[in-house]
Amino acid sequence: NAGVTQTPKFRVLKTGQSMTLLCAQDMNHEYMYWYRQDPGMGLRLIHYSVGEGTTAKGEVPDGYNVSRLKKQNFLLGLESAAPSQTSVYFCASRTLIRRTSYNSPLHFGNGTRLTVT
Amino acid sequence: AQKITQTQPGMFVQEKEAVTLDCTYDTSDPSYGLFWYKQPSSGEMIFLIYQGSYDQQNATEGRYSLNFQKARKSANLVISASQLGDSAMYFCAMSKGAQKLVFGQGTRLTINP
Repeated sequence: NAGVTQTPKFRVLKTGQSMTLLCAQDMNHEYMYWYRQDPGMGLRLIHYSVGEGTTAKGEVPDGYNVSRLKKQNFLLGLESAAPSQTSVYFCASRTLIRRTSYNSPLHFGNGTRLTVT
Repeated sequence: AQKITQTQPGMFVQEKEAVTLDCTYDTSDPSYGLFWYKQPSSGEMIFLIYQGSYDQQNATEGRYSLNFQKARKSANLVISASQLGDSAMYFCAMSKGAQKLVFGQGTRLTINP
């Protein structure tokens, strides 16, 4: 059982280049999330999805796009990378527990370290 | 809006001592969940403990316990008998509904031998 798998683990981009981060989960979780982690700022939500074919904006969505064409995959795209997007990106997933839906923890991938020069 | 505050950027504790990591939250919703995560230097996020807003008793998981004071809106993590392996970043998070978790800025805990 792999859990949440992120690819790639590391990437260096030049300003203006584009890339896609892939997140795959094998737990049949309904919800998926993309966070970025920067020193002193904790984890900030970029985008999330509550089901296949749906996406929503989080706290810091500008400069990113997402897609969830299949339930198990959640893609994060950077169309034109900027140095401010240098960060560690975490994907996470979560199941939906009826009636008490706020009590299921996030399961995280191991992160992608992105550097934009 | 939901907000999580961790006021201790760093803490230093002697091995085998108990340690309390502070977390306060702000929400007007009566239904919410509170979580603590550990992030060791290797970078992965490890779920430690959960407390629901309607839970009557404080959550415990092994050496971890959550000191939940609803009226004060605080959810402090207590680690008993600290070990060198407890050195890590610790994040408090809050969930309202199933849609997302909001995280605090984190506390870096260092356990000294």
